[in-house]
Amino acid sequence: EPEVTQTPSHQVTQMGQEVILRCVPISNHLYFYWYRQILGQKVEFLVSFYNNEISEKSEIFDDQFSVERPDGSNFTLKIRSTKLEDSAMYFCASTGQGSGQPQHFGDGTRLSIL
Amino acid sequence: GESVGLHLPTLSVQEGDNSIINCAYSNSASDYFIWYKQESGKGPQFIIDIRSNMDKRQGQRVTVLLNKTVKHLSLQIAATQPGDSAVYFCAEKGNSGGYQKVTFGTGTKLQVIP
Repeated sequence: EPEVTQTPSHQVTQMGQEVILRCVPISNHLYFYWYRQILGQKVEFLVSFYNNEISEKSEIFDDQFSVERPDGSNFTLKIRSTKLEDSAMYFCASTGQGSGQPQHFGDGTRLSIL
Repeated sequence: GESVGLHLPTLSVQEGDNSIINCAYSNSASDYFIWYKQESGKGPQFIIDIRSNMDKRQGQRVTVLLNKTVKHLSLQIAATQPGDSAVYFCAEKGNSGGYQKVTFGTGTKLQVIP
């Protein structure tokens, strides 16, 4: 069964450094998302992306965050200057076109900011 | 603000018994609901979904019930197995198609006692 894949599984970064999290969505999907989950808390929406532009973003997704689909398969989340509170699991998700399509999630990247 | 939330943070059941996980939602505009299972170190895994024009939907060993009158959603797992141990999230979308984000509840931890 096709799946969303994310790399790396764990990223350790110094505060203030830039980090790029990578995702390969399911190949025929058209809508892409990033979510994050702080340890022990619920999964929170960050951003949705469709047709090469952001469709919606949450208040968490400030100017330090950006997303990109650099080619036909990858979808990336960049955090420009990381803060301690950016430490979390980051999940990529994708969904196909049409009504009633659930989002399929990757296994996440654990981001640790030191 | 409007939110999706869960009644019970932890549920312990004997192996072989049926499990019922409950969820309350407050956004009356929601018309698509999803249950996800999250195992330790993994991303949310789609279990079953239901649209607001239905009140019951069955899958393999799982049933989702929707009561729009009281804005209540439940997940029933028949003959619970050790492999069912995980955190279960209910989630909702504003409509069943397109790019809309998924809003997650806080999660219920299911512990299966062998």
